Amino acid sequence: AQSVTQLDSQVPVFEEAPVELRCNYSSSVSVYLFWYVQYPNQGLQLLLKYLSGSTLVKGINGFEAEFNKSQTSFHLRKPSVHISDTAEYFCAVSARGYNFNKFYFGSGTKLNVKP
Amino acid sequence: NAGVTQTPKFQVLKTGQSMTLQCAQDMNHNSMYWYRQDPGMGLRLIYYSASEGTTDKGEVPNGYNVSRLNKREFSLRLESAAPSQTSVYFCASSPRHRGGQPSQETQYFGPGTRLLVL
Repeated sequence: AQSVTQLDSQVPVFEEAPVELRCNYSSSVSVYLFWYVQYPNQGLQLLLKYLSGSTLVKGINGFEAEFNKSQTSFHLRKPSVHISDTAEYFCAVSARGYNFNKFYFGSGTKLNVKP
Repeated sequence: NAGVTQTPKFQVLKTGQSMTLQCAQDMNHNSMYWYRQDPGMGLRLIYYSASEGTTDKGEVPNGYNVSRLNKREFSLRLESAAPSQTSVYFCASSPRHRGGQPSQETQYFGPGTRLLVL
């Protein structure tokens, strides 16, 4: 099975500052990796995903993430955050090659952008 | 397209009562899922349906049952609600492209149902 660890439950940051949200995963097989965002009282929306190829993945709203196989990490970054980025962010993993995409989610990181 | 819709949005139950959470998607997706979200625990998979006519248990199936009524609809039933089932429930769906790798497909989420069991 797979598992995902998001060590930071909350990340406070000032507007226009850079931010990194950390995600580490564990898996005995190759994986696909995802970041989702959840705005208050809403469902989850896909930010970006890593399937194969370039380890640097760009997503919506200026976010990007880098897949590091040796460190089993998939950290999410944004060079300059906006108030509207305040939300909860979830990292997720699914096993490559399986006949069904069972996702495993991390516990989430709440990003609080302050003016 | 409405995407994934869930009803009701909110529900309060007493211990022992039963209820069914409804989910429907209009994206012609093959696979559907039910998750629960609890503070500090992220999303945990309750049940899933890889395709119409099949259902399987996820990580936390105890106390729940599901029905894949047709390709569009996937309901979650609590037969005898318990306070431990107080949570936010999300339904999701994903496509299964011909020749594609299912495990890379994005899941699309509904807005959630907030359930309080007293």
